[in-house]
Amino acid sequence: DAKTTQPNSMESNEEEPVHLPCNHSTISGTDYIHWYRQLPSQGPEYVIHGLTSNVNNRMASLAIAEDRKSSTLILHRATLRDAAVYYCILRRSYNQGGKLIFGQGTELSVKP
Amino acid sequence: DSGVTQTPKHLITATGQRVTLRCSPRSGDLSVYWYQQSLDQGLQFLIQYYNGEERAKGNILERFSAQQFPDLHSELNLSSLELGDSALYFCASSAPPNREGGYTFGSGTRLTVV
Repeated sequence: DAKTTQPNSMESNEEEPVHLPCNHSTISGTDYIHWYRQLPSQGPEYVIHGLTSNVNNRMASLAIAEDRKSSTLILHRATLRDAAVYYCILRRSYNQGGKLIFGQGTELSVKP
Repeated sequence: DSGVTQTPKHLITATGQRVTLRCSPRSGDLSVYWYQQSLDQGLQFLIQYYNGEERAKGNILERFSAQQFPDLHSELNLSSLELGDSALYFCASSAPPNREGGYTFGSGTRLTVV
């Protein structure tokens, strides 16, 4: 499974946008880019995923570089409830036995 | 409620014992995944089942085993427990193969081995 590289930690101010970067230079053409977050003492929570095009949902936006070697998770207005560990993961398609392999993630802290 | 149910929520047992963790996937999901999260190891993938059959194995110890039953619920069996097996164990489920999407995780079972 291809690896991703994320900063260990980031800080944000409440109500400001947050851009969480992820590098995945060894991504293959069939790898999906997934983002999950984990709040303390809870299970991971799906945030968003994409393949080639930028994606938006109610939680966040995912911006994917044209060469797909990096991506950025965008939280448009950080709240205190967004403080969590954010994981960027490459996942093969279901038919290729895709499974999520978690790295260390980025610990996001949000200041009031 | 994520739709994935894990029981029990907490478990305290002694070294050398055997325990069974249970997971009911979200309705309609055929795949079940088990993960272990300890303080020093992060989230480790253990094993995946799809519609009753083992599909992928990760860092699962030989003392651990799992199965998925016809009703799609899954059980993770941990035997000859050691102090180092103390961890949070998460189960996740996902949609059938023709629908790419996210995993849904349960709230986990916290295992403490004393």
